[in-house]
Amino acid sequence: DSGVTQTPKHLITATGQRVTLRCSPRSGDLSVYWYQQSLDQGLQFLIQYYNGEERAKGNILERFSAQQFPDLHSELNLSSLELGDSALYFCASSVLGRNSPLHFGNGTRLTVT
Amino acid sequence: AQTVTQSQPEMSVQEAETVTLSCTYDTSENNYYLFWYKQPPSRQMILVIRQEAYKQQNATENRFSVNFQKAAKSFSLKISDSQLGDTAMYFCASLMNRDDKIIFGKGTRLHILP
Repeated sequence: DSGVTQTPKHLITATGQRVTLRCSPRSGDLSVYWYQQSLDQGLQFLIQYYNGEERAKGNILERFSAQQFPDLHSELNLSSLELGDSALYFCASSVLGRNSPLHFGNGTRLTVT
Repeated sequence: AQTVTQSQPEMSVQEAETVTLSCTYDTSENNYYLFWYKQPPSRQMILVIRQEAYKQQNATENRFSVNFQKAAKSFSLKISDSQLGDTAMYFCASLMNRDDKIIFGKGTRLHILP
């Protein structure tokens, strides 16, 4: 168990809808990362937060947004969903020391129909 | 831009054999961190091994070891005495000192055959 909790595990929704994915980082970790993994693809970096502030941004669509709250949990909001948004969305957390690896949650499987 | 390249999309080896997965990366920095992650069919992401660029000694974790060639920007993973449970997707990743993005390669799908 990595200590990172993602909810929900599965989400099925229709095109055009909006969903929110939630992540609770490992205790003590201040940094949260979001990644998207489409079918049989690698992990695409979306965005990173550190202690409530946006730290780094990857190839995140304008339809997507995220935030990290004072209790350090994070939410990824996906709106105007398209079929191509179907993917496994991972949250990961780290201490953000330079040697700190990522600890991954089990992911949220999003299916857009 | 920070890039990580895994040139082997898929590999198969017999159980108990040794296998090496390749990874190259691009950076102009001197200090950075490299990782190998494993993703079994369960889709969990599991850290296998990590290497600090300033350390010359190659990292080792039980049957897993790396061959870190800094000048060549190469970071290969060697799995010795491979086991059926090693069947998974393996991702190489880098973390540069100047920012906090951890970038992943596209992965190598490894099949361990009985």
